[in-house]
Amino acid sequence: GENVEQHPSTLSVQEGDSAVIKCTYSDSASNYFPWYKQELGKGPQLIIDIRSNVGEKKDQRIAVTLNKTAKHFSLHITETQPEDSAVYFCAANGGYQKVTFGIGTKLQVIP
Amino acid sequence: DGGITQSPKYLFRKEGQNVTLSCEQNLNHDAMYWYRQDPGQGLRLIYYSQIVNDFQKGDIAEGYSVSREKKESFPLTVTSAQKNPTAFYLCASSMGLSSYEQYFGPGTRLTVT
Repeated sequence: GENVEQHPSTLSVQEGDSAVIKCTYSDSASNYFPWYKQELGKGPQLIIDIRSNVGEKKDQRIAVTLNKTAKHFSLHITETQPEDSAVYFCAANGGYQKVTFGIGTKLQVIP
Repeated sequence: DGGITQSPKYLFRKEGQNVTLSCEQNLNHDAMYWYRQDPGQGLRLIYYSQIVNDFQKGDIAEGYSVSREKKESFPLTVTSAQKNPTAFYLCASSMGLSSYEQYFGPGTRLTVT
């Protein structure tokens, strides 16, 4: 099955700086890579996703890059704000209907 | 207002009792999922269902059971056989085959003492 590794587990940045979270996956059949944001006590919310036919996708301050050869993908948040503080999860589908999640990164944006 | 609802938000049970967690969606999604979340371990798949009256075991199905009698409902029963049931449980849904975008409910925190 698919195995997704995510790092770092915690990340602190100053407000206005950029944050980068990286993930690697094992199954070369994976073709869908979503990122979720989870605020305290709530369910995860899909914030951006990328499919294997593109290398980069942007949505305002958030971008995701994918390197299929190296089997890794990253989340980039620019101009971070305190409301970006949350736990972020990456995931990969491994070619199946279900997805496998990373362990999560707790992002703290310091005002 | 479409979405996924889980109830209750907090649930307390005594050890040895079975407990059923509710999950309802009005998104007309075919597929539904149950995850367990523990600190430092991310989300682990318990069961999933791609269509009514059909479901599959996930990675940690032991001690859990599900049913899918209606498209909009996917209840999860935590049985007394589950050795460590205290956790945060999340339900999700997606449109179905070839659509991987999953939408999550707000979760139920189960505490067993």
